[in-house]
Amino acid sequence: EVQLAESGGGLVKPGGSLRLSCAASGFIFSSYTINWVRQAPGKGLEWVSSISSSSLYIHYADSVKGRFTVSRDNAKNSLSLQMHSLRAEDTAVYYCARDRDEWSPDGLNIWGQGTLVTVSS
Amino acid sequence: QSALTQPASVSGSPGQSITISCTGTSSDIGGYNYVSWYQQHPGKAPKLIIFDVTHRPSGVSNRFSGSKSGNTASLTISGLQAEDEADYYCSSYTTTNTRVFGGGTKLTVL
Repeated sequence: EVQLAESGGGLVKPGGSLRLSCAASGFIFSSYTINWVRQAPGKGLEWVSSISSSSLYIHYADSVKGRFTVSRDNAKNSLSLQMHSLRAEDTAVYYCARDRDEWSPDGLNIWGQGTLVTVSS
Repeated sequence: QSALTQPASVSGSPGQSITISCTGTSSDIGGYNYVSWYQQHPGKAPKLIIFDVTHRPSGVSNRFSGSKSGNTASLTISGLQAEDEADYYCSSYTTTNTRVFGGGTKLTVL
């Protein structure tokens, strides 16, 4: 079964750091761009970051640029999101999501179950 | 990276059709045919229901259809069913190689 599974969420103080992980299974992980998408409690979806199959192309939303770093290990079928200088507004469920197509950004068809990050003192 | 604009809510009765609009700019919706739509039920992860403006993934009902004109995309759900009650989000690729989502639309089936 094609799956993504996030882990690493939790409670962190403002200004703190946290590292999220995303484990993939059931597909050729090294062929696909993977994205991070977050959803604040009761709010809509916000795209956070994407990393291409070979890590050659990495992009961030302005709201996290300079604070978050995405990386992947294709040998381990895993993805990470390192988050620094966390703010209250970063509180959200974080999803990793796979591009539907290997070659174009036409939609995210595989999503994990999400992991909750709470930034609070 | 401003969010795409969607109506906050729409409603319809079972069997009716509804349309949700999604307005962007020439830097996103108007610039590419990489518009997608997602359905999200409470407490669940989003589900892709439309990609490339008009295409449905395998297993998605043909009651869902998408279209685009200029900087505005639309999702139409025909033959509304109770199970369609959910939040719906549009998304587009952008000229800065990022993605952007709409603010979401809550669909109520009366």
